[in-house]
Amino acid sequence: DIQMTQSPSSLSASVGDRVIITCRASQGINNYLVWFQQKPGKAPKSLIYAASTLQSGVPSKFSGSGSGTDFTLTISSLQPEDFATYYCQQYHSYPRTFGQGTKVEIK
Amino acid sequence: QVQLQESGPGLVKPSQTLSLTCSVSGVSITSVGYYWSWIRQHPGKGLEWIGYIHYSGSTYYNPSLKSRVTMSVDTSKNQFSLNLSSVTAADTAVYYCAREWSATGYFDYWGQGTLVTVSS
Repeated sequence: DIQMTQSPSSLSASVGDRVIITCRASQGINNYLVWFQQKPGKAPKSLIYAASTLQSGVPSKFSGSGSGTDFTLTISSLQPEDFATYYCQQYHSYPRTFGQGTKVEIK
Repeated sequence: QVQLQESGPGLVKPSQTLSLTCSVSGVSITSVGYYWSWIRQHPGKGLEWIGYIHYSGSTYYNPSLKSRVTMSVDTSKNQFSLNLSSVTAADTAVYYCAREWSATGYFDYWGQGTLVTVSS
């Protein structure tokens, strides 16, 4: 199985901050990576797929980069609605695997 | 629009079989290129992919659960189902159904999730 490791596991940030979350795959996955946002009691919602392609309807403050084993999700200016848990997931091979999540909290 | 909705018992006794159904609307489950997955999330924890089923009946299960998982599809009802046998408290989780489109490869539509508690 491909292991996905996110860092940090949690972070505290203020409105307006720039936030960077990293995700590392245990082996190369090309750009077969998606980022999800999950709010309490809700299903995950995709933000970015193919490592850097913004999902339709997702604001441009979200951006993704990376290829191979190392990836980042950047939120350029954190807003109150962005406080949530973020997951990366590889779709290079089965079984599909997720990172453990990064909880973004209000400072 | 595409919608998925999980249904099934919210409480299952240890050693019994957990059974859930996902009802799909807005798209035919037989449409080309779609794979229908189950994913679970233990309380306060991360996401675990359980497996997928294709409308043809082909399946792929996570090796970590393979010995206990069976999935099936009912094309006449536009539904697919999950059976997880010999459950323990460790199977207590929110269970999601989701669609994976081969053209993109990721889960683009999810159900709202249903909490299943394993307890006597």
